[in-house]
Amino acid sequence: DTAVSQTPKYLVTQMGNDKSIKCEQNLGHDTMYWYKQDSKKFLKIMFSYNNKELIINETVPNRFSPKSPDKAHLNLHINSLELGDSAVYFCASSQAQVGEAFFGQGTRLTVV
Amino acid sequence: GNSVTQMEGPVTLSEEAFLTINCTYTATGYPSLFWYVQYPGEGLQLLLKATKADDKGSNKGFEATYRKETTSFHLEKGSVQVSDSAVYFCALTTPQGAQKLVFGQGTRLTINP
Repeated sequence: DTAVSQTPKYLVTQMGNDKSIKCEQNLGHDTMYWYKQDSKKFLKIMFSYNNKELIINETVPNRFSPKSPDKAHLNLHINSLELGDSAVYFCASSQAQVGEAFFGQGTRLTVV
Repeated sequence: GNSVTQMEGPVTLSEEAFLTINCTYTATGYPSLFWYVQYPGEGLQLLLKATKADDKGSNKGFEATYRKETTSFHLEKGSVQVSDSAVYFCALTTPQGAQKLVFGQGTRLTINP
């Protein structure tokens, strides 16, 4: 019954590897997001998709590539992982023009 | 651009104390304002919201009033509990940028018994 679910919850990987985080929402929302939370808890948007179309890409390195196969899914693929990519990544969804977003439980990525 | 500024944390209070976490914003147009809460090890949950000036959002004993004249949305609770210990985020969206939330830096609240 989870509204926004993302997997995995924890991800530990070595520098240079490629990894993916998956996100699914069952709320019928048309907009999905990826946010990054750094070690100081600061939250910043990375990407936003509306009806599978990319509408926000906030100066994120090209190594990060979101993919939205349908309105209910937004995955995040990261190539050539770096130490600085270590953070908690949150998926969220909302209905456009409403603003209120629902968040997943987060994926804690640790690059060693 | 749009931005949100919260009071610096961490904030430590005793149980049953009165809580205020200040939040001010800068935005073009008329933003919607939110407070989100993040309990340890969890994602963010919407705590309350207000979509127009003078609206008051409330939930679980928390309140915040949308003050356009002071561009503020301060969070208050009359009597905090240990279970309120969490990180609190003030955030906004605007009609122009309704596709994303702009967050403040978060305020860590610890309530001691």
